[in-house]
This record gives sequence, structure tokens and C-alpha cells, in this order.
Amino acid sequence: DQQVKQNSPSLSVQEGRISILNCDYTNSMFDYFLWYKKYPAEGPTFLISISSIKDKNEDGRFTVFLNKSAKHLSLHIVPSQPGDSAVYFCAEGSNYKLTFGKGTLLTVNP
Amino acid sequence: DVKVTQSSRYLVKRTGEKVFLECVQDMDHENMFWYRQDPGLGLRLIYFSYDVKMKEKGDIPEGYSVSREKKERFSLILESASTNQTSMYLCASSLVGGANYGYTFGSGTRLTVV
Repeated sequence: DQQVKQNSPSLSVQEGRISILNCDYTNSMFDYFLWYKKYPAEGPTFLISISSIKDKNEDGRFTVFLNKSAKHLSLHIVPSQPGDSAVYFCAEGSNYKLTFGKGTLLTVNP
Repeated sequence: DVKVTQSSRYLVKRTGEKVFLECVQDMDHENMFWYRQDPGLGLRLIYFSYDVKMKEKGDIPEGYSVSREKKERFSLILESASTNQTSMYLCASSLVGGANYGYTFGSGTRLTVV
């Protein structure tokens, strides 16, 4: 059974608006959740993370929210920019290993 | 600039060939990983290694093996390539106990098996 689920394969938003990417998980014994961003023909790059003891982490335009009771996390991008168009993966970290979701393709339209 | 380097960006191999994918990191990281990325399936872990000469199976190890003779180099081996191994292969490295599990990924190798 998939441990990390990204139920939306794609998301399209207008430039300047908020992008919200969602992720659900099943394993409660984790250390961190992370978000990675991937452009075509490149490797994923680390974007932002949140530890299990927090419910929010913010870095510039990017904020990750963790709801442990619902086993749900989300990535907010405000304001969205065309350069944010990429595939976003959430990943669960435990025992120094990352388990990734299937990814969400974000398209930000000018 | 620290990096993870994968030896080939694109490879085309024939069914049944033995294929070597090489990955080198210059960050003195202990952990190294091989993932494959397929449309609709995300990133799936094939094998990983915590130290030289050590290896652990990931979620989809069948048809693959690995070699880690030196700390900086982690090789993925397809013993007998098959068409269902056509994929994007991504190598990553990280520090033991590194903050936030920060993986550094290579640029990937697009393998096509014909």
C-alpha cells in the first residue's frame, strides 16, 4: 500500500494566485516530510521540509502545513510564478530514507 | 559547487544486455540511493547504501544489483536489461544524520531498452 499519496496528478493556477499542493500519508512514525521540485530532464531539488514536531514551516513564498491528526500535509506557494511550473513530490523521511509520492504537475499560467 | 554526477544522460541498450549506470558524488556523503521515475508512479527506490560495500534493497530491487566499492561511487547494474526497465534513473546522496534528510540528486539517466 502506498505510504505517501498525492491524489492530484496535476494543478493549474494563474500567475499571482495561490497554489496548494496536497499530500496524505499512512505512516505516523516519521521524522520529516519534505517537498521536492523537479523540472523535466533534471534531478529533483529540495524545496522545503517540516519535522514531526511542528505544524508549519515557512520559507519565502513557500509554506508547508502539517496536520498530524488528519495525516495530511500541504504546500502553499504564494504568489505563484510561471517559473514554479514543475512536478512537485512530497516525501516522507524515516530511517534516513525517503519515500516519495507520485508527484503533482503544477502549471502556472501567465 | 557540490554535486552528484551520473555518467550518462541518455542510454539506449538492447534487451538482454548487461547495463551499468554510474554515479559519483563529491560531498563525502555516506548514504547513496538509486531511484527510478516513471509517469504516474513517481520516484521508487531500487537500492541504497549506507556505507562502502554495504547495500540494502529498496522497494523494487528485482532485476537490479548495485556495487559500492568506494564511498563516492555507487553503481546500478541491470543484469539482463528488459523493456520494462526503460525509465529515468536518478541517483542521490545524503549525509548520515543530515538535517532534513537533504538529498542531493543527479540529473538523471534516461535509459531506453529496445
